Amino acid sequence: DGGITQSPKYLFRKEGQNVTLSCEQNLNHDAMYWYRQDPGQGLRLIYYSQIVNDFQKGDIAEGYSVSREKKESFPLTVTSAQKNPTAFYLCASSTLKGELFFGEGSRLTVL
Amino acid sequence: LAKTTQPISMDSYEGQEVNITCSHNNIATNDYITWYQQFPSQGPRFIIQGYKTKVTNEVASLFIPADRKSSTLSLPRVSLSDTAVYYCLVGDIDYGQNFVFGPGTRLSVLP
Repeated sequence: DGGITQSPKYLFRKEGQNVTLSCEQNLNHDAMYWYRQDPGQGLRLIYYSQIVNDFQKGDIAEGYSVSREKKESFPLTVTSAQKNPTAFYLCASSTLKGELFFGEGSRLTVL
Repeated sequence: LAKTTQPISMDSYEGQEVNITCSHNNIATNDYITWYQQFPSQGPRFIIQGYKTKVTNEVASLFIPADRKSSTLSLPRVSLSDTAVYYCLVGDIDYGQNFVFGPGTRLSVLP
């Protein structure tokens, strides 16, 4: 079935470590996004990419990095520069009509 | 970017019709209105999208008055499984990165 696959579902990190969250889609969508969600809050945009080899910062990009080497893949790295990384991370892609398809999310906890 | 305002929470009973209103006074000409549903620890799921008047699909209806400064998501005969957070987004569908997820409306369906 077509969709967005995120991994891992749960991830624990020690302070000072970088971690990479995987996001793969087989929907043939050009645009992909990374969001962060904190408890009881809406989603905040971290990075987005409208085409391969191009990406732009969202509202809260500091401490994060991305790459878009393939249309299907948009991994997010949470670096040690991100001071409060514990959160629920969501990856999405969108159709040409602006409909967003989300993955199941990755929950990152800093120990 | 069009700002939206929704009630923070709503309660309903099984079998009732639920209407959630979203205010978007500064909606632009090219903006569409899109609603998403999110269950705990899952990514949001697209419900419905519209530009004007009324749109209906198998799960919901969306009512948009002529001035487009507000919209109402209507869920017919809700069940316990409709307990979720509902987000109203307003934006140009050609610029998905501009869709802003606010805190949404937390709907609780009671038996």
